Amino acid sequence: GQQVMQIPQYQHVQEGEDFTTYCNSSTTLSNIQWYKQRPGGHPVFLIQLVKSGEVKKQKRLTFQFGEAKKNSSLHITATQTTDVGTYFCAGGSNYKLTFGKGTLLTVNP
Amino acid sequence: DVKVTQSSRYLVKRTGEKVFLECVQDMDHENMFWYRQDPGLGLRLIYFSYDVKMKEKGDIPEGYSVSREKKERFSLILESASTNQTSMYLCASSPWSLGANVLTFGAGSRLTVL
Repeated sequence: GQQVMQIPQYQHVQEGEDFTTYCNSSTTLSNIQWYKQRPGGHPVFLIQLVKSGEVKKQKRLTFQFGEAKKNSSLHITATQTTDVGTYFCAGGSNYKLTFGKGTLLTVNP
Repeated sequence: DVKVTQSSRYLVKRTGEKVFLECVQDMDHENMFWYRQDPGLGLRLIYFSYDVKMKEKGDIPEGYSVSREKKERFSLILESASTNQTSMYLCASSPWSLGANVLTFGAGSRLTVL
């Protein structure tokens, strides 16, 4: 079945440093989504990418979808303590999304 | 805003008990999902439903069943709870779409089976 690998599993940064998490799929994806889960919370949708090579920005967050539609990345510029949480990618088609295991980001103020 | 409400935030049950986890969404979404979340394993799909009385197995359906008698309600049933079903259970819903489903999650139900 489809597998979505996400690295790193953990990342600890100093406030102000950049952060990147990577997502790779074993199969070509029709789309990829990113979710954020704050500690003690539930996953919340951030963004969806559909087109090959697509790049989208949300303030300090930059999302990319690979040309082959098998990989994606999330980059945060100048992290803040409010960025703390687990970031999940999810890829798939139709009804079924397959989630990566997530990257837990901690930020030292 | 779409709201997905899970009936119990925390449950403690004994091995062998039958457990019902209820989920209700208020935005007339066609699709509903049950995931379990475990440390180091991420979110794994148990079952999903794209219409009333319809259900499809996800990646880990063993030991679980579901019921969708009304569009807004999707129940997860553990017929005979076991300790390895101790987990966080997340319900989600999404509107019907030709493309991807953007999920709105509930707050989760943390189940402990003793």
